[in-house]
Amino acid sequence: GAGVSQSPRYKVAKRGQDVALRCDPISGHVSLFWYQQALGQGPEFLTYFQNEAQLDKSGLPSDRFFAERPEGSVSTLKIQRTQQEDSAVYLCASSPQQGPSYEQYFGPGTRLTVT
Amino acid sequence: AQKVTQAQTEISVVEKEDVTLDCVYETRDTTYYLFWYKQPPSGELVFLIRRNSFDEQNEISGRYSWNFQKSTSSFNFTITASQVVDSAVYFCALSEAGRGRRALTFGSGTRLQVQP
Repeated sequence: GAGVSQSPRYKVAKRGQDVALRCDPISGHVSLFWYQQALGQGPEFLTYFQNEAQLDKSGLPSDRFFAERPEGSVSTLKIQRTQQEDSAVYLCASSPQQGPSYEQYFGPGTRLTVT
Repeated sequence: AQKVTQAQTEISVVEKEDVTLDCVYETRDTTYYLFWYKQPPSGELVFLIRRNSFDEQNEISGRYSWNFQKSTSSFNFTITASQVVDSAVYFCALSEAGRGRRALTFGSGTRLQVQP
């Protein structure tokens, strides 16, 4: 079956531009996560949705970062007024249930480069 | 606060050698889950295994085996008879059952290079 898909795969933005990153989770998956992965590092949590409700946004680094999942399926991560330190791979993951024991299925990521 | 440490940044072995990747974790929760993920050059994280804190039985799956020891807060991963296709970055991760938090906390990863 189809896995998690993300678009675009690559995005180059000039400093100060706004960007929107899309995630299509596995159909029927309740939980959706966004992570940020800097070069040579492990993924770091940004935010978590259970259906359409954003239950945890403690990892968002600043108020320039905003995420939504209005209908409980597709999610968008928006970064306003991009800065160079925002350059990273943004990973989306989904999970079939809401509990912490379920594995997360990851998409291929969007590589954002801010120039 | 939860933390995962993978002290080995990079390991290089020759094909058919055995290799062990170390993972040490910190948590205050009594119920938690440990995971290993593989990230090949293509970039997509692939789930390998999950363990819960109440199950310390070692697990073997083909050439892969995992050693979970609560006494040392470690969850090590061994690849037997390594192959070139095993070359990837491997991440250990932790999730806690308490406080409603569902995020995975990842280590910094170990890059494994298997030479032919």
